Amino acid sequence: RKEVEQDPGPFNVPEGATVAFNCTYSNSASQSFFWYRQDCRKEPKLLMSVYSSGNEDGRFTAQLNRASQYISLLIRDSKLSDSATYLCVTKGKLIFGQGTELSVKP
Amino acid sequence: GAVVSQHPSRVICKSGTSVKIECRSLDFQATTMFWYRQFPKQSLMLMATSNEGSKATYEQGVEKDKFLINHASLTLSTLTVTSAHPEDSSFYICSAMGANNSPLHFGNGTRLTVT
Repeated sequence: RKEVEQDPGPFNVPEGATVAFNCTYSNSASQSFFWYRQDCRKEPKLLMSVYSSGNEDGRFTAQLNRASQYISLLIRDSKLSDSATYLCVTKGKLIFGQGTELSVKP
Repeated sequence: GAVVSQHPSRVICKSGTSVKIECRSLDFQATTMFWYRQFPKQSLMLMATSNEGSKATYEQGVEKDKFLINHASLTLSTLTVTSAHPEDSSFYICSAMGANNSPLHFGNGTRLTVT
């Protein structure tokens, strides 16, 4: 099993839709988790950290489920500019998931 | 503004030459920096962990004699791709980590093309 696995995508959604991605991790000792966004041919940029209690930043909500060892990212009211690849990473060994591609269509 | 600077952003070189990529943390000290490689449509692959003042730790399958890493100071790590071949063409990205629970900050990446 890979250390970090993500929904493969691509996710093609209309503007305004709500979309959710999951990311499972295998190392139960992992402590810190983050979601990054990567645009085509660019470096990843931090989207948000994932806290145990869950956290929200505008249209984005991140949650951690330690019992089932997964983190999730929910995007509400999708915008065209949300189109990107979303990467989860656990800071235990800085392993990235393979990324989930999101394409928001008008 | 950028907190990690990577240079050059793009390089084209001939097969057999060596290429050095620099990664600098701009406003924090990074005892640990990380080097990733990303092929088109694929995930970021961790190549090595660079520790200031000690030898880098390479991931399985990454040749340490081909990808030389030097972490000379708390703000600078370099990756040298030695005797580059066309199959080394890729997007190389460095990242640095500050204090314990701070997230990774990435450099803007180096697109290497070996002809």
